[in-house]
Amino acid sequence: SYELTQPPSVSVSPGQTARITCSGDALPKKYAYWYQQKSGQAPVLVIYEDSKRPSGIPERFSGSSSGTMATLTISGAQVEDEADYYCYSTDGSGNLNYVFGTGTKVTVL
Amino acid sequence: QVQLVQSGAEVKKPGASVKVSCKASGYTFTNYYMHWVRQAPGQGLEWMGIINPSGGSTSYAQKFQGRVTMTRDTSTSTVYMELSSLRSEDTAVYYCVRAGLFNEPDIGEEDYWGQGTLVTVFS
Repeated sequence: SYELTQPPSVSVSPGQTARITCSGDALPKKYAYWYQQKSGQAPVLVIYEDSKRPSGIPERFSGSSSGTMATLTISGAQVEDEADYYCYSTDGSGNLNYVFGTGTKVTVL
Repeated sequence: QVQLVQSGAEVKKPGASVKVSCKASGYTFTNYYMHWVRQAPGQGLEWMGIINPSGGSTSYAQKFQGRVTMTRDTSTSTVYMELSSLRSEDTAVYYCVRAGLFNEPDIGEEDYWGQGTLVTVFS
């Protein structure tokens, strides 16, 4: 079955840049989405269609995709950005089959 | 405004089935696909499947095929997710998630999540 692979954890100091990668074979042809999930809360969409930011999401969140890797970048990370982050996409098979990435815990300290 | 209200928490024994409902309001029910996602305690998000409320067509993650059934009732704007042959590993919070694009399965610019339904499986 299709998989999206993320690093388990990323640590960053406040004000620095955090980059979270997501690797998947279908990413060259399928959009990546990124969710932020804080402890005890429902996930929040922070990037859609590889690089677009929903309204209300701070500009420090950005996304990109190249080849089989999508990347979420938090520029000038804030303490409140500490959360789990998940990429999300489809397997490109033509069937409706979606998958979440393995998740990355971002620590800001 | 778009609202998705899910049914309450459930406690089930291994081998039983559970049926979680998700009542939609604030938009035309048949115009937007609905996904189901779950999250076990301390674990990641897991996509379970999708239903097109317009025609009722479904697609399930391979892991759940044969055990999950997603249905809808257009008269009440409600989608249902039934999971059978429950085991302890099915203990999780189950979410319905409305896609953001008109008549398309993808999330798009915005999505809407139900409040989640905790299903606990233990003997």
